[in-house]
Order: sequence, then structure tokens, then C-alpha cells
Amino acid sequence: DAKTTQPTSMDCAEGRAANLPCNHSTISGNEYVYWYRQIHSQGPQYIIHGLKNNETNEMASLIITEDRKSSTLILPHATLRDTAVYYCIVRPSNTGKLIFGQGTTLQVKP
Amino acid sequence: NAGVMQNPRHLVRRRGQEARLRCSPMKGHSHVYWYRQLPEEGLKFMVYLQKENIIDESGMPKERFSAEFPKEGPSILRIQQVVRGDSAAYFCASSPPRGDGSYEQYFGPGTRLTVT
Repeated sequence: DAKTTQPTSMDCAEGRAANLPCNHSTISGNEYVYWYRQIHSQGPQYIIHGLKNNETNEMASLIITEDRKSSTLILPHATLRDTAVYYCIVRPSNTGKLIFGQGTTLQVKP
Repeated sequence: NAGVMQNPRHLVRRRGQEARLRCSPMKGHSHVYWYRQLPEEGLKFMVYLQKENIIDESGMPKERFSAEFPKEGPSILRIQQVVRGDSAAYFCASSPPRGDGSYEQYFGPGTRLTVT
């Protein structure tokens, strides 16, 4: 499984865009990039996923570089409730398990 | 559409007792996954099940732990003869199958197991 590298922590001002980077330089062609977050000790929450193309949904945008070796999760207007640990996960299409790393702790400040 | 449901939300067991954790997947989902989060640690995959089948149990401890997902009813994670080291949050997730291999997992609120 491809490994991912994320910054340990980031701060963001409320109302501003939060850009969370993820490096996955060993990603293979059949591996998807997934983003989840965990608020406090709640169950992880699915955010978005993609293979090659950029993706957008009501929560966030996912920008994947052309060589697929890195990606960025964008929360367009961060709120205090977006404070959480964000996980970038690379998962092959032929396996079900998600391998969680340490993630990025995003602190949104007023 | 109700989300993934887990019960109980909190479970206290004495050493040596059995713990049974239940998970009801989202409607229409036939795939269930169990993860464990030890205190101050990350989430670890345990097992992946489809109806009546264990697909991947590579993360399950070799002894005392078992999981099932019967044709009818919820998925059960069973821990026999619990020890203090089993104290953790256990999360269940479910997903619908997709032909292209792309499917997101939706997580339940978890069961907090405390072994005294």
C-alpha cells in the first residue's frame, strides 16, 4: 500500500480556506486517494475521494497533481466546527481496508 | 437514510468476561468493516466482511477475537476473555459495492469498551 505523508498540524483562520497537503509519491495506478476526518473522538467522517481528476462536493475540493504524487484537500470557508484530525489515505481498488496514518490536526481559530 | 448504527455506545466488562459489539450497516450496504482505536493511538483496521463471508481478517488478533455478518441481522464483533489492553473505541463502517472498486466507507459512532 502506498504511504502518505501529511504535516502534523496546521492552523487556519475562521472563514478562510484551509489547504491540507498530502504526499503520496509511491501511489500506483489503481489506488484512490481518500480523505476522512475525525472530530474529537467521534467516528471518522468521509469527506471526498478521487483517482485522477479533481473532485468537488458540498464539503470540500480535492486537487490531485497530474503525476498523482500529491494532493490537496481544500475546505473553502473553514469554520470552528472543522477543527479535527484530517486523514489522507491511499487505497487500492481491490482491497477494502483503510490504513490510517497520523493525519493532520487542523485547528480553526476565530 | 439512517447512518451506521452501533450498540452499545459504552460497554464495561471485567477481565475475563465476553464483549459483544453490534453494528447495523446503512441501508443497502452489504460490506462491513471493523476498526479499533486504542487510547491516544490511530485507527487500525481489523476485519472486512460481506454477508456470511469474511473477506479480510488480516488485522484481527489471532486469539479471542471473532467477527461475523450473518445473512440476517447486524454484524457482531466478539471478544472473549477480555483483558485491560482491549479497552478501546471500536468503530464499524459500511459501504456499498461499486464495480470500479471505488467506494467510500461510512463510519458509526463507535463503541467505547472499558475493561476493569
